[in-house]
Amino acid sequence: GQSLEQPSEVTAVEGAIVQINCTYQTSGFYGLSWYQQHDGGAPTFLSYNALDGLEETGRFSSFLSRSDSYGYLLLQELQMKDSASYFCAAYDSWGKLQFGAGTQVVVTP
Amino acid sequence: SQTIHQWPATLVQPVGSPLSLECTVEGTSNPNLYWYRQAAGRGLQLLFYSVGIGQISSEVPQNLSASRPQDRQFILSSKKLLLSDSGFYLCAWSSGLAGSYEQYFGPGTRLTVT
Repeated sequence: GQSLEQPSEVTAVEGAIVQINCTYQTSGFYGLSWYQQHDGGAPTFLSYNALDGLEETGRFSSFLSRSDSYGYLLLQELQMKDSASYFCAAYDSWGKLQFGAGTQVVVTP
Repeated sequence: SQTIHQWPATLVQPVGSPLSLECTVEGTSNPNLYWYRQAAGRGLQLLFYSVGIGQISSEVPQNLSASRPQDRQFILSSKKLLLSDSGFYLCAWSSGLAGSYEQYFGPGTRLTVT
């Protein structure tokens, strides 16, 4: 199985940059995904890293280092609508996801 | 385009009562299907996944069961609910194709066991 650790909460002001770290302990690790979930809503996919390095998608970027069992999600130019929970999730070769407990991002004016 | 439906949206059930939650997917064939449960303020726990009709794998032993009677239908059931079964139940699908990693989630069912 997998276990993933990420901070419980991060607070930042609009326009700032936030980095959410995720460390994992794995068996059968295949890649790392990130999902966003607004209160009461369903999670939505943000990014996936199978290889080491940085993946950029608009204001969001995700990084993976397999040798360090570590990844992060970078949120740039924060907007109020980015206030949500962000989950890292380890993907295995069977297509299953193991989720971390989530990081609540609070964006203040 | 593909869509995923879950119902009901909310449910309040007494302890010991049965449960049936339904999930259907439209616009895709032979999807991988998943049931997750999310406790308040927590991450998602994978309960069951299915790669085809009648093929169910259980991740967590408990009083819940799942069935896939049709290609795009996934049902979560219980014969007798426990208080600890309360939570937000999410169904998801993925294409199962090589190189496809995204899971698409339904709107969820919020279950309160009283």
